[in-house]
Amino acid sequence: DQQVKQNSPSLSVQEGRISILNCDYTNSMFDYFLWYKKYPAEGPTFLISISSIKDKNEDGRFTVFLNKSAKHLSLHIVPSQPGDSAVYFCAASAANDYKLSFGAGTTVTVRA
Amino acid sequence: DAGVTQSPTHLIKTRGQQVTLRCSPKSGHDTVSWYQQALGQGPQFIFQYYEEEERQRGNFPDRFSGHQFPNYSSELNVNALLLGDSALYLCASFLGADNEQFFGPGTRLTVL
Repeated sequence: DQQVKQNSPSLSVQEGRISILNCDYTNSMFDYFLWYKKYPAEGPTFLISISSIKDKNEDGRFTVFLNKSAKHLSLHIVPSQPGDSAVYFCAASAANDYKLSFGAGTTVTVRA
Repeated sequence: DAGVTQSPTHLIKTRGQQVTLRCSPKSGHDTVSWYQQALGQGPQFIFQYYEEEERQRGNFPDRFSGHQFPNYSSELNVNALLLGDSALYLCASFLGADNEQFFGPGTRLTVL
C-alpha cells in the first residue's frame, strides 16, 4: 500500500529554470513532510521539511508547498543548477511515529 | 564529526544463507531505523531501535531481525535469504523527537 506517491519518475530542466517536483499522499494522519536528495552510491540527504501547520517553507533556492485539502505537496528549486541533478524522494510521517514513508522518487536532470 | 556509517558496502550471498549488516549512528544520536530500497522504489521501513529495543516494525517477515548495542550501533540480520531480498539496505539515525533522520550510504546486498 503506497501511501506516498511521486507520479513523475523523471524531470529534465534547463540550468537556471525552475524545477517543480510533485508528491501526493493518502494517509490523513501524516503531519510532517520531508524531501530528501540522493546521489548515486550515497545515502539520502535531508533537503527541506514542512509541518502540517504550515503551507509553505523556504530555504534558499528550495521551497516546499503543502496543500492539505488536496493531500499534495511540491518542491520548487529556483534556479536549478547542475549539482541539483539527483533523485529526489518525498517522505512523510505521522505524529509520534518516527517511521518515514517514502515515495518512489523523481530523477532530476539539469541540462547546461 | 562522522555521519552514519554502514558496513559492508557490498555483499553477495546465495539463497538460503544468512547475512548481518552493521550501522554506526551519527554522533549523539540514540535511535536507529533500517530501510530496504529495492531497485526503482523508495526506501521501505523495516524496523527501528531505541534503548536497545525494537520500538516499531514495518511489514517485513520475521526473517528480518535486529539488535541495538549500548553504544547505539545496530545490526540487521536476514535469515533464509530470498532472491527478492536483493536491495540497498539503508540505516538512518536521529535523536529523540527530532524528525530529521540522517542516512548512511547503504549496503548493497545481492542474493544469487
